[in-house]
Formats: sequence, structure tokens, C-alpha cells
Amino acid sequence: DIQMTQSPSSLSASVGDRVTITCRASQDISNYLAWFQQKPGKAPKSLIYAASSLQSGVPSKFSGSGSGTDFTLTISSLQPEDFATYYCQQYNSYPPTFGQGTKVEIK
Amino acid sequence: EVQLLESGGGLVQPGGSLRLSCAASGFIFSSYAMSWVRQAPGKGLEWVSTISGSGGRTYSADSVKGRFTISRDNSKNTLYLQMNILRAEDTAIYYCAKDRQWLPEFFFDYWGQGTLVTVSS
Repeated sequence: DIQMTQSPSSLSASVGDRVTITCRASQDISNYLAWFQQKPGKAPKSLIYAASSLQSGVPSKFSGSGSGTDFTLTISSLQPEDFATYYCQQYNSYPPTFGQGTKVEIK
Repeated sequence: EVQLLESGGGLVQPGGSLRLSCAASGFIFSSYAMSWVRQAPGKGLEWVSTISGSGGRTYSADSVKGRFTISRDNSKNTLYLQMNILRAEDTAIYYCAKDRQWLPEFFFDYWGQGTLVTVSS
């Protein structure tokens, strides 16, 4: 199985900050990488697919980049509603696997 | 609007069985693969099982293979997960999730709110 490793595991940031989360795959997954946001007590919500394509209805402050093994999710200007846990997921190889999550907290 | 509503969770003893359901609306159910993804308390996300749009192809994680069975009834717009020989480590919130295409791509674009399964004596 492909291992997905996110860094950092958690971060503290202020409203208005630019935040970047990294996801590394244990082998080449091309651009078959998705990002999800999960708020406490809620279901995950898809943000990005194909490494950089924004899911319908997701604000443009979210962006993704990367290919191969290294990927990033960037939030351009952090807002109160963005404090959540973010997960990456590869769907290049079976079985699909998720990163361990990055918790974004208020500084 | 895509809506996925899970039901059927609850408390069950180790070795017991449970059947989860997911009622779908807002899209042509039979045109999309569907999946179950779970999350143990305080932990990350784990893919469990997927079924193609027709129901003819199924896929399951090694951790549940031989114990869990995914199925669907396209006439009722409903997805199921039959869980047998349940273990304590199966305790989790189980989410129903929609794929982007008929044959599984394993990208989950919409998720239900989840149903909690607790396996304990």
C-alpha cells in the first residue's frame, strides 16, 4: 500500500496568515491526489482533486500543487471557518490511502 | 443537491452483526460508484469498501475482507454495508461517500454525515 505522510501534524496560525500543508507519497502517484477538510463532529468535505483542481463550490483561497510524490495545500488567507483538520488522499493505486491529517488551530 | 444519509449504526457485541444503509438523493445513483470510509474515535480516515455503479464489481480493504459485504439497490437509491464478525477495532464512524464516476476512481466527492458503530461487550 502507498503511505501518505503529511507535515506538519498540527500547526497554529492567525487569521489572515498564509498556510501551507505538505503531503508526501511513498511512491509516484502522478497527480491522483485529493485534499479534504474536516471540522469537529462533521463529515469530511472534498476541496481539491487531481492535485490542483478545485472542487465545485470551494473558495479560491484554497489551492493545491504538486505531482509525483510531493504535494501541497495552500490556504491563501486563513479565516475563522478554515480552522479544521485537513487530509490528503491518493487514488492512483489500489487501495486508496489517506494521510494522517494536519490540524490547523488558532494561534 | 447531493444528499447521503446513513443509518443503522449502534452498539453491538464482539462477534455480532450490523447492517448499515445509506439513502442517496440529488443525483443519478446508478451512474456512480459508492464507498464506505470509516474513522475510529480520534483517528484518521480509512477506506473500507467500494462498489461500482451497476453493483457488479466490489472492492474491500484487507482489514474487513471476508467479514464485510458492500451492496446496493439502485431501484431504492440505497447503499448497504453488511458487517459480520465485528471486532472492537471496527468501532468507528462509518461514512457513505460518492465517487465521481461509474467505475470506481476512489476519489470521494460527496460524503454523508456518518453513523457510529460501537463494538463492545
